[in-house]
Amino acid sequence: NAGVTQTPKFQVLKTGQSMTLQCAQDMNHNSMYWYRQDPGMGLRLIYYSASEGTTDKGEVPNGYNVSRLNKREFSLRLESAAPSQTSVYFCASSRDRASYEQYFGPGTRLTVT
Amino acid sequence: GQQLNQSPQSMFIQEGEDVSMNCTSSSIFNTWLWYKQDPGEGPVLLIALYKAGELTSNGRLTAQFGITRKDSFLNISASIPSDVGIYFCLTTDSWGKLQFGAGTQVVVTP
Repeated sequence: NAGVTQTPKFQVLKTGQSMTLQCAQDMNHNSMYWYRQDPGMGLRLIYYSASEGTTDKGEVPNGYNVSRLNKREFSLRLESAAPSQTSVYFCASSRDRASYEQYFGPGTRLTVT
Repeated sequence: GQQLNQSPQSMFIQEGEDVSMNCTSSSIFNTWLWYKQDPGEGPVLLIALYKAGELTSNGRLTAQFGITRKDSFLNISASIPSDVGIYFCLTTDSWGKLQFGAGTQVVVTP
């Protein structure tokens, strides 16, 4: 039982490049989330998926897109990376939207030069 | 918008000391959760609180949901070196909006 897994663990991009961050959970959770973490700002919600087939914007969605591929997987795409997107990205899941007990992955450390 | 304040921002303590941190807001919340993040890892849930006034312990950790529903505290008793990390509160309002505190960095010295 791996919980929430994320790939890659580290990534360096040049401005304008695109990439997709992958996330998978094996806890049969309905809801999944993407956060970014910047120094002194805590965790900020980018997008979430309350259930398979639905996605919604969070607090800071600009510059990102998401796909809920199936119940297990939720990906985050940066179409044209910018230095302001340098951050640590965390994926999380919860039993459902009404359950606020979230389980986090280990994070992806992204640097955009 | 809602302002969630977590304090202190950081604390340097000696092994064996007790630690106390809190999150406060001018808004009313329905849920308070406390997480710990080890360096280079994702946050891990420590304690979840769902009722005003609720006091819950998890080993050396104790957290309470404030009676006014506007605050919560987390205490760590008899700190040990592995308590080092960043502690976050997470709260939700009546619309289900999630909000994280900025975190309290705890450093434990022998």
